[in-house]
Amino acid sequence: ETGVTQTPRHLVMGMTNKKSLKCEQHLGHNAMYWYKQSAKKPLELMFVYSLEERVENNSVPSRFSPECPNSSHLFLHLHTLQPEDSALYLCASSQDGTSSYIFGPGTRLTVL
Amino acid sequence: QKEVEQNSGPLSVPEGAIASLNCTYSDRGSQSFFWYRQYSGKSPELIMFIYSNGDKEDGRFTAQLNKASQYVSLLIRDSQPSDSATYLCAFLPSGTYKYIFGTGTRLKVLA
Repeated sequence: ETGVTQTPRHLVMGMTNKKSLKCEQHLGHNAMYWYKQSAKKPLELMFVYSLEERVENNSVPSRFSPECPNSSHLFLHLHTLQPEDSALYLCASSQDGTSSYIFGPGTRLTVL
Repeated sequence: QKEVEQNSGPLSVPEGAIASLNCTYSDRGSQSFFWYRQYSGKSPELIMFIYSNGDKEDGRFTAQLNKASQYVSLLIRDSQPSDSATYLCAFLPSGTYKYIFGTGTRLKVLA
């Protein structure tokens, strides 16, 4: 495993459920990210947090709600998702906004 | 719209050959370029980064950057079946902290 962990690794949920994805980085990085990866599409940036402040919200539907309580933890709260939200959700961190990313292992999400 | 283009492949090469992966990017002012490798079902992992024009070598991997032509490539020498993966190119457009990723090139190294 890398210095970025994610739980759960797999999640199946119905459209009316509420669930949360968790990300934790042990690298002392200052920036954390949520990406969505769908088949045949490039990585889509969802949210960016720098020093615990959200600095980017890439027109993501409100059914996705991020939370960054401290520089080591990042959450993605999910509610009333759609089947097209099924994807691999990747958390990443970087020392600052311009250095390379370290990705977590991802959460494979399936929405029924 | 800033973007990066990669041939999705698959690119098939025999074991021991040189695999050449290419990527073009749209933002002439970009300074940072990265290659990530992603195995099926896994997350991307950084294998190379390059900031300056020219070649950068790390073991069997060589990254090549040509800013005038706006392309970056990755050469893998002595390709092994374990190199079979999807390779993602990414760049950081000038004045932003948002990396732009390509869709990736799937490489198959045939034993």
